[in-house]
Order: sequence, then structure tokens, then C-alpha cells
Amino acid sequence: AQSVAQPEDQVNVAEGNPLTVKCTYSVSGNPYLFWYVQYPNRGLQFLLKYITGDNLVKGSYGFEAEFNKSQTSFHLKKPSALVSDSALYFCAVKGGAGSYQLTFGKGTKLSVIP
Amino acid sequence: DAMVIQNPRYQVTQFGKPVTLSCSQTLNHNVMYWYQQKSSQAPKLLFHYYDKDFNNEADTPDNFQSRRPNTSFCFLDIRSPGLGDAAMYLCATSRDWPAGETQYFGPGTRLLVL
Repeated sequence: AQSVAQPEDQVNVAEGNPLTVKCTYSVSGNPYLFWYVQYPNRGLQFLLKYITGDNLVKGSYGFEAEFNKSQTSFHLKKPSALVSDSALYFCAVKGGAGSYQLTFGKGTKLSVIP
Repeated sequence: DAMVIQNPRYQVTQFGKPVTLSCSQTLNHNVMYWYQQKSSQAPKLLFHYYDKDFNNEADTPDNFQSRRPNTSFCFLDIRSPGLGDAAMYLCATSRDWPAGETQYFGPGTRLLVL
């Protein structure tokens, strides 16, 4: 069975500082990893994904994520946080070429403090 | 812009009164999904359609059903809503089956059961 862990329920960061939202995963076979963001009372918005290739993936709104196979991690990063980045962030994984099921972590609430 | 649309955004129903939530997409994607998201939790997949083929998750209650009359539309029917069914319901689509395909989400319908 595949699973995702987001070890922090909440991350606080000052505006302008770098941010990291952590994610580790467990899956059989090659992982397909995704990050989504959710603003209050809204759906999930796709940020970026890792399928194969370069371990550093760049996505929307200046976010990037680094795939680390040995540590089974896919941490989300941004060099300089904005107040508007405050939201709920979900990491998700699919495992195996034939897998359709997207398994989500429980989410991390990011608060960027002005 | 191509998108996933959900109506209504907010739905209030009475305990036991059938309710239908709708989703439409202009992306022309083959796969459509319904997720349930309870407060402060990760989205949970209820079922999905690949074209007209319906796939129910093993732990989805019988109370939940779905219809996909054509490529663009998909409906979630809750036959007899209970208080525990109050949640955000998210519709998502993906172009095709492979694990690397991105799922794109609609804004969600928040269901309140009185």
C-alpha cells in the first residue's frame, strides 16, 4: 500500500524567508509525486509533479520540490515566501505505472507572517 | 479557459433527503473522479470513471452513487445523507490513465446536512 507523511501540521515562516514543507512517501515501484495547494473553501490547485528525470522540479508561483530517492522525500520549497502563499499544502503519491489512485498526505498549513 | 466546474458551491440538505452534486469539465479528459474531504483531512477518493467505465472504491458507502451521462458531466448522488456526510466534495479530472497524469480539481461543493 502506498502512503504519504507530512510530519508538520503547521509551518510558520516570515515573509521573505525561504520556506520548506516536508513530505515523505512509501510506495512500491517508481513513485509519481505531486504537490497541491488549497485555499480556504476552494478546490486543490496543482503546483508541480515529479515523474522521472531531474530531481529538482520547478512548478507554479515560484515553488520547487526536490525528489530524494534514498530518503524517500519530496519536500516543497520556495526561496522567498509571500503572505499570499498562506494556505494548506498537500503532498500526494501514485505508485506504479498502472496506478490511478492518488494518495494524499494529511496536509500542512503554511502561515506566512508579514 | 479550460476548467473543472462544480455546482452548486454550497448545498444544504436535510437528513435523509437525496441530493445531487454536479461536475462539468471543458478539458475533454477521459477520467473523472469524486473525492470527499472532511474538515482538516486529506481528500478521500470515492469513485472514478474512465470514460464510461465506473470504478468504486472498496470502502465507499452504498449511499453514494455516481452517473456520467457524457464526457463532460459527472454527478454524485447521495441517496440518504446523514450528518456524517457533511463535507467538501471535490471533482477532479485527468487526461488519461497513466500514473504520471495530473489530476485537476474543481472548486468543490460544500455540503451541509441539517
